[in-house]
Amino acid sequence: DTGVSQDPRHKITKRGQNVTFRCDPISEHNRLYWYRQTLGQGPEFLTYFQNEAQLEKSRLLSDRFSAERPKGSFSTLEIQRTEQGDSAMYLCASSLAGTAIYEQYFGPGTRLTVT
Amino acid sequence: QKEVEQDPGPLSVPEGAIVSLNCTYSNSAFQYFMWYRQYSRKGPELLMYTYSSGNKEDGRFTAQVDKSSKYISLFIRDSQPSDSATYLCAMSPPAGNKLTFGGGTRVLVKP
Repeated sequence: DTGVSQDPRHKITKRGQNVTFRCDPISEHNRLYWYRQTLGQGPEFLTYFQNEAQLEKSRLLSDRFSAERPKGSFSTLEIQRTEQGDSAMYLCASSLAGTAIYEQYFGPGTRLTVT
Repeated sequence: QKEVEQDPGPLSVPEGAIVSLNCTYSNSAFQYFMWYRQYSRKGPELLMYTYSSGNKEDGRFTAQVDKSSKYISLFIRDSQPSDSATYLCAMSPPAGNKLTFGGGTRVLVKP
């Protein structure tokens, strides 16, 4: 079992490079969320999907960020032309539509370091 | 100003003491109030949730919500070194799809 899994757990990249992260939700969960957590701060919502559809995006999700969930299962978050300010923990969570808001289950996160 | 404010700490207490944590918020639409625990380099895990006002107890944990003051609290009784972590409050309106978090309070329980 199978909680939410994220890959890689840690990514170090140079400024200007592109990076892609993957999230695998709990198997029966049809909602998937991305949050970003900078050092010493709480997670901030970026976007969420229900099945394949991206239903909400935060204004934090600049043009350099794109998230996909092509088959309604795993999701990818890509950051193009990374900047030092993108250094953060990227958290994925999943839930079943129709369940309570607190029934989002978080993965271990991908820690991005941009040098 | 952030919608949810939380003192960053660190809050250092001796083992066995009561840990008292709190958050204030500005959005009166929030009705779900959650507390998460986050160990270093891990994802948040849900400790407790409360809907609307009132108190809720679960083992050593007590959550309180005062909507009139826009203030929520979490108390941890008989604290243990394993309770050392960052505690995050999070909130949502009734039909919300996203969590709004406070900045987290780092707690250290010393043996």
